[in-house]
Amino acid sequence: DQQVKQNSPSLSVQEGRISILNCDYTNSMFDYFLWYKKYPAEGPTFLISISSIKDKNEDGRFTVFLNKSAKHLSLHIVPSQPGDSAVYFCAASVTGTASKLTFGTGTRLQVTL
Amino acid sequence: DADVTQTPRNRITKTGKRIMLECSQTKGHDRMYWYRQDPGLGLRLIYYSFDVKDINKGEISDGYSVSRQAQAKFSLSLESAIPNQTALYFCATSDLLGTGPNEQFFGPGTRLTVL
Repeated sequence: DQQVKQNSPSLSVQEGRISILNCDYTNSMFDYFLWYKKYPAEGPTFLISISSIKDKNEDGRFTVFLNKSAKHLSLHIVPSQPGDSAVYFCAASVTGTASKLTFGTGTRLQVTL
Repeated sequence: DADVTQTPRNRITKTGKRIMLECSQTKGHDRMYWYRQDPGLGLRLIYYSFDVKDINKGEISDGYSVSRQAQAKFSLSLESAIPNQTALYFCATSDLLGTGPNEQFFGPGTRLTVL
């Protein structure tokens, strides 16, 4: 049972445009969400997070939006750059559960010139 | 130098062999985790540890065991490897800040192939 889903395995975006990566979850107990970025031959690195008490969190070119009623979050990258080409994982957690993260299946973003 | 290191980076072994994957960290974090990544399945938690005396099973612990030798070291063992344990394995660490989930820092991964 996949509690965190990323339904788009891949996404291609032109440099300078907006990239929107989507994530859906089914467990209503999740109250903290994170995005990780992964380059080939490297481990995932933390990108941005959001608590369920917020609906938006912004960090430079990266913004995460949370819609609790729809159990949906999205990561916006504006403007997209070639160095953003990577696999992006969303992850979810329940506060008080020892920082255990449930990961989505990942979306491969390719930013083209 | 990397904060979270994993050895080996690549390993090919045969069915039935015992194998150990090692993880070391210099971040001074108390919590350590082992995940495996399979195509189309994302990362799944195998075991996690809060300190050297605390070991907990994750989502997919069957067929695996762990040892927390020190705060900085957390090893994952496959007692008798089988082909469906072929995967990319990641170690991660996190610090204890309140009771909420915290950012986890990942090692570079170990690619394990069981023939």
